[in-house]
Amino acid sequence: QQQVKQSPQSLIVQKGGIPIINCAYENTAFDYFPWYQQFPGKGPALLIAIRPDVSEKKEGRFTISFNKSAKQFSLHIMDSQPGDSATYFCAASMEGNTPLVFGKGTRLSVIA
Amino acid sequence: SAVISQKPSRDICQRGTSLTIQCQVDSQVTMMFWYRQQPGQSLTLIATANQGSEATYESGFVIDKFPISRPNLTFSTLTVSNMSPEDSSIYLCSVGSGGYGYTFGSGTRLTVV
Repeated sequence: QQQVKQSPQSLIVQKGGIPIINCAYENTAFDYFPWYQQFPGKGPALLIAIRPDVSEKKEGRFTISFNKSAKQFSLHIMDSQPGDSATYFCAASMEGNTPLVFGKGTRLSVIA
Repeated sequence: SAVISQKPSRDICQRGTSLTIQCQVDSQVTMMFWYRQQPGQSLTLIATANQGSEATYESGFVIDKFPISRPNLTFSTLTVSNMSPEDSSIYLCSVGSGGYGYTFGSGTRLTVV
């Protein structure tokens, strides 16, 4: 049973556009929701993360929106650039020393 | 946050052989997590390694195939045993940092021929 569902699988946007990637979770015990960026041949790198006590968090061009009642969260990339072309993974974990559960990933292509 | 040194970074192995992957953390951590990332796929948790006890494996992963060692609070190994081409993947270790952050090793890219 997939605990974190991510969509879309792939996304193509023009430079300057705002790609949005969505994730939905099932386990209400999850209380940490990070997004990871992965370039080909590299390991995943933490981009931004949110806890359920806030509805939005911004770091630079990256914004997480969080809807606790709907059990959904999303990543918005403002003013997207070709260098943002990568695979993005959402994830979730519970309080304490528990492992992250990952979504299936979204392959983003930003074209000039 | 913790820093993880993972070795080897890549290897090409013959089918039927075994490869041991090492992760060294620069601080003491209770739990270490091992993930597999198959080509074009997401990260799947293999097992959780707690120092002083047997690792806890996720569904679909067994100790005979992926034995894990956790001799102390800063080190762990994952062995991929009796390898087949289907084991070709990136293997990553991870630890939790304070405040729910997680650190990942740089990964081991395994190709089985």
